[in-house]
Amino acid sequence: EPEVTQTPSHQVTQMGQEVILRCVPISNHLYFYWYRQILGQKVEFLVSFYNNEISEKSEIFDDQFSVERPDGSNFTLKIRSTKLEDSAMYFCASQGEWDTEAFFGQGTRLTVV
Amino acid sequence: AQKVTQAQTEISVVEKEDVTLDCVYETRDTTYYLFWYKQPPSGELVFLIRRNSFDEQNEISGRYSWNFQKSTSSFNFTITASQVVDSAVYFCALSGSNDMRFGAGTRLTVKP
Repeated sequence: EPEVTQTPSHQVTQMGQEVILRCVPISNHLYFYWYRQILGQKVEFLVSFYNNEISEKSEIFDDQFSVERPDGSNFTLKIRSTKLEDSAMYFCASQGEWDTEAFFGQGTRLTVV
Repeated sequence: AQKVTQAQTEISVVEKEDVTLDCVYETRDTTYYLFWYKQPPSGELVFLIRRNSFDEQNEISGRYSWNFQKSTSSFNFTITASQVVDSAVYFCALSGSNDMRFGAGTRLTVKP
């Protein structure tokens, strides 16, 4: 069964460092998302990506965040200068069409120290 | 703007009780999809059901059932005869013309 894969599963980084979270969506999917979940809290929308550009982003997704789909397969989330409050589980998701089920990766737990 | 509200932050029941998780949504889209996901303690998000805005028929799958009422913009989820393994956070989500939005989640604890 096709699945969304995320790497690494856990990343520890020092405050102020740049991190790149990687996702490989399902190959024929068109819509891609990043969500984050601070421990024990709700799943928060960060950004959606369609047709090689951002289609929508939340207020959380400020200038410190960026997304790319550099090679048509990987979908990355970059945080330029991490803050303590960026510590969370980051989920990548992909959809074949907007009205279909979103498939989620297992998540990357980011810990900023 | 799309919004999903899950007013129940935490629910605790004893095994074999029935429990209903509430979900209320807002959208201006006429065509949209509603979802429920389960997040067990292991952390992954597990898809449970998808329902489109034109299909108000209730659905039952084993001990799970869903009640979609467009008139009240609600998509409630009932677990019958709950089990300890049902303990998880349950998220309701809405997918419209833009993107998928989640509710804050309801943490369900089923005690033996």
